[in-house]
Amino acid sequence: DQQVKQNSPSLSVQEGRISILNCDYTNSMFDYFLWYKKYPAEGPTFLISISSIKDKNEDGRFTVFLNKSAKHLSLHIVPSQPGDSAVYFCAANDQTGANNLFFGTGTRLTVIP
Amino acid sequence: DGGITQSPKYLFRKEGQNVTLSCEQNLNHDAMYWYRQDPGQGLRLIYYSQIVNDFQKGDIAEGYSVSREKKESFPLTVTSAQKNPTAFYLCASSRNRATTNTIYFGEGSWLTVV
Repeated sequence: DQQVKQNSPSLSVQEGRISILNCDYTNSMFDYFLWYKKYPAEGPTFLISISSIKDKNEDGRFTVFLNKSAKHLSLHIVPSQPGDSAVYFCAANDQTGANNLFFGTGTRLTVIP
Repeated sequence: DGGITQSPKYLFRKEGQNVTLSCEQNLNHDAMYWYRQDPGQGLRLIYYSQIVNDFQKGDIAEGYSVSREKKESFPLTVTSAQKNPTAFYLCASSRNRATTNTIYFGEGSWLTVV
């Protein structure tokens, strides 16, 4: 059973516009959330994270929003650049102290120049 | 440069053979992990290790084995018991297993069974 879901397998955005990637989760024990960016045939690269005690975390062009009541988080990229084209994975950690990440299936972002 | 090194990048295995994927990190991280990625799926945890000489099964450990004899090294053996071994394998590490510690990944290894 997929506990972290990314329902959009792909997204295309014009350069300079905002990219919004969405992620839903089902486990209320998740308390730490991360976004990873992955290029083909490479390992995922950590992008940004957010703790469940916050509802927003910003780092440069990247902002993650967390809506705990809806069990939903989103990643905003503004402005989008062609180099942002990659697969983005949402991941969540639970409160067991195990640091076992649960990953979504990924969203492929294409930024069109 | 600190990082995680996986080798080989590409590996072909005949059915019935065991193969070992190497993972080395020089980040001085205590915790190490192995994940598997299949097309259209998220990453799934195979094994993890919190400290030297200790490791635990993840969600899909059947058909795999690991060892953690050194802090820097966490090799994964894909045994002949693994029914569908063709996949992209990712090694990762984190400072420790606290949930707020970011997990960092290596470049990955492609394993194909021929």
